[in-house]
Amino acid sequence: EAQVTQNPRYLITVTGKKLTVTCSQNMNHEYMSWYRQDPGLGLRQIYYSMNVEVTDKGDVPEGYKVSRKEKRNFPLILESPSPNQTSLYFCASTGGAFSSSYNEQFFGPGTRLTVL
Amino acid sequence: KQEVTQIPAALSVPEGENLVLNCSFTDSAIYNLQWFRQDPGKGLTSLLLIQSSQREQTSGRLNASLDKSSGRSTLYIAASQPGDSATYLCAVNGGNNRKLIWGLGTSLAVNP
Repeated sequence: EAQVTQNPRYLITVTGKKLTVTCSQNMNHEYMSWYRQDPGLGLRQIYYSMNVEVTDKGDVPEGYKVSRKEKRNFPLILESPSPNQTSLYFCASTGGAFSSSYNEQFFGPGTRLTVL
Repeated sequence: KQEVTQIPAALSVPEGENLVLNCSFTDSAIYNLQWFRQDPGKGLTSLLLIQSSQREQTSGRLNASLDKSSGRSTLYIAASQPGDSATYLCAVNGGNNRKLIWGLGTSLAVNP
């Protein structure tokens, strides 16, 4: 089954404790990205990746890091989480020009993060 | 800068009604537009994708239209059911980085 998976689904942590949210897709998509969703602000892009070893900042990258060592994985790293990073996070992947799902974005189930 | 607006913000209808959700965007230079459904506290389910060259897409009781020149899309839901209750989000893809610009959604309640 074609899907995007994220782990963990729920996480409660404390300020300053490094954490990683994993994202994996099995559709051989080139493009992957991370969004956060906050009440009244909607979804905003954090980081994106056009392909392996190619990443760039989205609209709200402060406090986050990403890496793309393999095509299927795109982890989101919070080196020193703060309470303002409490949010619902979504990973997405998108097919490229030769994909049957060209430009259609597929989303993971979301990770609800609470930073105390 | 692309901005996406969804009207109304909330809608409550009796079961069986046909209804229209609206999405408008400020920059007509888009690759595509996607409609999503989100249930409370849950993930995003893609409903319909309209490429920039298309005028509409249909899936079951759902029909989405796209008018790039006027910066509008509508999602038509026929014969609404209580199971359609959710938040419906419109997202525009306008750049090479495949970034989606999102509306804030329409919260739909279909009452039995």
